[in-house]
Amino acid sequence: AQKVTQAQTEISVVEKEDVTLDCVYETRDTTYYLFWYKQPPSGELVFLIRRNSFDEQNEISGRYSWNFQKSTSSFNFTITASQVVDSAVYFCALSGGQGAQKLVFGQGTRLTINP
Amino acid sequence: GAGVSQSPRYKVAKRGQDVALRCDPISGHVSLFWYQQALGQGPEFLTYFQNEAQLDKSGLPSDRFFAERPEGSVSTLKIQRTQQEDSAVYLCASSPTQLAGDNEQFFGPGTRLTVL
Repeated sequence: AQKVTQAQTEISVVEKEDVTLDCVYETRDTTYYLFWYKQPPSGELVFLIRRNSFDEQNEISGRYSWNFQKSTSSFNFTITASQVVDSAVYFCALSGGQGAQKLVFGQGTRLTINP
Repeated sequence: GAGVSQSPRYKVAKRGQDVALRCDPISGHVSLFWYQQALGQGPEFLTYFQNEAQLDKSGLPSDRFFAERPEGSVSTLKIQRTQQEDSAVYLCASSPTQLAGDNEQFFGPGTRLTVL
């Protein structure tokens, strides 16, 4: 069975601090996909990034960066120089290959950026 | 609009009532998903359509839950004889291809169902 664990329930930091959100996953699939979604107070899930299991190259996009490590089954997400608008619930999600379509989500991490 | 839309945004039902939740996916999207999100939890998969075919309904919690997508576009999630434990936000998502496992799913704003 597939499982995603986000051990951090809530994180609160002061604006401009860097913050890392942890995600650990379990799957028996050799091909799989990992995602991060953001859910602001409005409620709509917003896609941030997708990674497939063959691509361990880490990525930086503006203030966001991602660290994918198959050896530890982790897919962590870092925001540098955080801003108040980054406040939201962040979800890590997993989908399997070979036609498995659904997303399996973690419990989410509520991130609060204080001014 | 260009995004996924859902209606109603809020629904209050008395226990035992039937409800119907509507999802309008992005035009041309092949794949459509329903998820249930309880308060403070991550979304949980309910069911998946590829065009009009319901290919996976393994997440539907009971036979009171029924979903359809008869023409391969708009979908309706129906809950019969609602119970208090059905209270949640119901999210619809669509994806442009049938290979949805590796594609971004675009989510709607959800329908918040409260069963009294």
